[in-house]
Amino acid sequence: QLQLQESGPGLVKPSETLSLTCTVSGGSISSSSYYWGWIRQPPGKGLEWIGSIYYSGSTYYNPSLKSRVTISVDTSKNQFSLKLSSVTAADTAVYYCASLSGSYVSRWGQGTLVTVSS
Amino acid sequence: DIQMTQSPSTLSASVGDRVTITCRASQSISSWLAWYQQKPGKAPKLLIYKASSLESGVPSRFSGSGSGTEFTLTISSLQPDDFATYYCQQYNSYSGMCSFGQGTKLEIK
Repeated sequence: QLQLQESGPGLVKPSETLSLTCTVSGGSISSSSYYWGWIRQPPGKGLEWIGSIYYSGSTYYNPSLKSRVTISVDTSKNQFSLKLSSVTAADTAVYYCASLSGSYVSRWGQGTLVTVSS
Repeated sequence: DIQMTQSPSTLSASVGDRVTITCRASQSISSWLAWYQQKPGKAPKLLIYKASSLESGVPSRFSGSGSGTEFTLTISSLQPDDFATYYCQQYNSYSGMCSFGQGTKLEIK
């Protein structure tokens, strides 16, 4: 059973870079059966797609965040990562990592709250 | 970008009611539409994928329909556990991008 777990700082200062890692267990991140994504949810608000990455390395980013987002994969550690630069308070959210099967999210991490504050 | 519009934003209903939530896409997405249920403090849970396929383990009172730009999620007989927020999600097979509807909060009347 595929499981995902987010990790990273819960507090980031404005203008700095938010960095999160998702560790995948129960399956290989190199599998062609899945691709991998990040989704966030500001407190009390809806879900926002950040971006996704295929096992081939191809990435797809939300146009509204594209200039600040980088998603990468580390196959040696079975992990994938999110970097979001120049953060502001508007980036405060629960960040979820996810596995995708074709067109939908098949597994979610539990989510991690990241607060942007000085 | 493909925009997803859900309606209503809030829905009040009673146990045993039949309810329908609608999701409209700004352009055709074929059947690349999924529905999720989210409860407070929890990650969303997949209910329906490819517009009408029921995820394993999801009760049969949930059903999805539609194609192109208009989709519906129907709960045939509301149970106490169903009061939650529901989101639709589209997948653009050309761009590889996804997006969510704004959510529908299903409340107890």
